[in-house]
Amino acid sequence: DVKVTQSSRYLVKRTGEKVFLECVQDMDHENMFWYRQDPGLGLRLIYFSYDVKMKEKGDIPEGYSVSREKKERFSLILESASTNQTSMYLCASSPIDRVYNEQFFGPGTRLTVL
Amino acid sequence: DAKTTQPPSMDCAEGRAANLPCNHSTISGNEYVYWYRQIHSQGPQYIIHGLKNNETNEMASLIITEDRKSSTLILPHATLRDTAVYYCIEGTSYDKVIFGPGTSLSVIP
Repeated sequence: DVKVTQSSRYLVKRTGEKVFLECVQDMDHENMFWYRQDPGLGLRLIYFSYDVKMKEKGDIPEGYSVSREKKERFSLILESASTNQTSMYLCASSPIDRVYNEQFFGPGTRLTVL
Repeated sequence: DAKTTQPPSMDCAEGRAANLPCNHSTISGNEYVYWYRQIHSQGPQYIIHGLKNNETNEMASLIITEDRKSSTLILPHATLRDTAVYYCIEGTSYDKVIFGPGTSLSVIP
């Protein structure tokens, strides 16, 4: 069974802390994505990556960075967490050779910044 | 912003067919329609996609109008586990997936 896993389901951090959210997929997918989901705003794309060491900004990259050193792993970094980054964070992956854009999502990490 | 429009919520009796509509009046010729759903506290799950023809898989059927300006996702025998938010999305395989607010489907016992 294909799988996207995220390092934590729930995380509580303090303002100003550096936060790492990890995502691993076992499907050998080229594409990986980070979204955040907030009530009333739907899913918003933060960053995505089409290949190792490549990254592209999504719609709301401010305050975030990413790292993709290996194909299966895509990390989201909050350099200095702030309360407005309290949210559900979702990682997804997809293969590059599909004619349709089927993304496989992880279970999500609910981050609370105090 | 999402390019599709969906009703914000719907109810369906358990065991009946759930028909979820979606308008995508600006869809272009090479764009697919695809559907995801998100059960509470889980990540979205891909359901089905289509271009012009109607499609069916083990989860659902997708009916696309001839002019491609709208479509309907059909869950033939809704169960309580089908209670979720359903997202209709249009795009090519290389577009970013843009999720709108979706339709919150409640399956009632």
